[in-house]
Amino acid sequence: SQTIHQWPATLVQPVGSPLSLECTVEGTSNPNLYWYRQAAGRGLQLLFYSVGIGQISSEVPQNLSASRPQDRQFILSSKKLLLSDSGFYLCAWNLDRDYGYTFGSGTRLTVV
Amino acid sequence: AQTVTQSQPEMSVQEAETVTLSCTYDTSESDYYLFWYKQPPSRQMILVIRQEAYKQQNATENRFSVNFQKAAKSFSLKISDSQLGDAAMYFCALTSGTYKYIFGTGTRLKVLA
Repeated sequence: SQTIHQWPATLVQPVGSPLSLECTVEGTSNPNLYWYRQAAGRGLQLLFYSVGIGQISSEVPQNLSASRPQDRQFILSSKKLLLSDSGFYLCAWNLDRDYGYTFGSGTRLTVV
Repeated sequence: AQTVTQSQPEMSVQEAETVTLSCTYDTSESDYYLFWYKQPPSRQMILVIRQEAYKQQNATENRFSVNFQKAAKSFSLKISDSQLGDAAMYFCALTSGTYKYIFGTGTRLKVLA
């Protein structure tokens, strides 16, 4: 069966520090991969998605970036975190974009 | 632009009773898909139910069913025989031929014992 792993679960980082969140999917090949951010009291905002290795589409081109170095690995990065980057980050995957997402367990990021 | 609106920030229901969560949407596309997701306190989003816009029949999954009114652009979720484990945030979502889903702001459901 397919599983999605996301880590770390929680992270507290100072302003200006770098960020790396990792997501991996097991049990499938060539998944579509997504990074969403959930701010308090708001819905989910799509940050990046990828339909293949090395292919990244950006929806919110701020100080965040994403990479897909391997078929089932998706990484969210930042060189310098801002206070506004605080939030709950969710990784997700699917094979068919019309059939819904399977989400990871999320990372709570607090920038201090 | 596509939008999804959940006008009920919070709802309460007695255990074993039925509750309906509202969702309205707007899209100019004729082919689209609608979803309800559940986010329990653990924060992991779980797909509850999916509806294809071209299907008139309302989707059902055990105690969960939808009332899909295409002309009114309404997509409500009915939870029957509510259980304590149903307490969560519920998000309505829309996609129409793209990888991006548009999510509503969510409805917090409380289940009272």
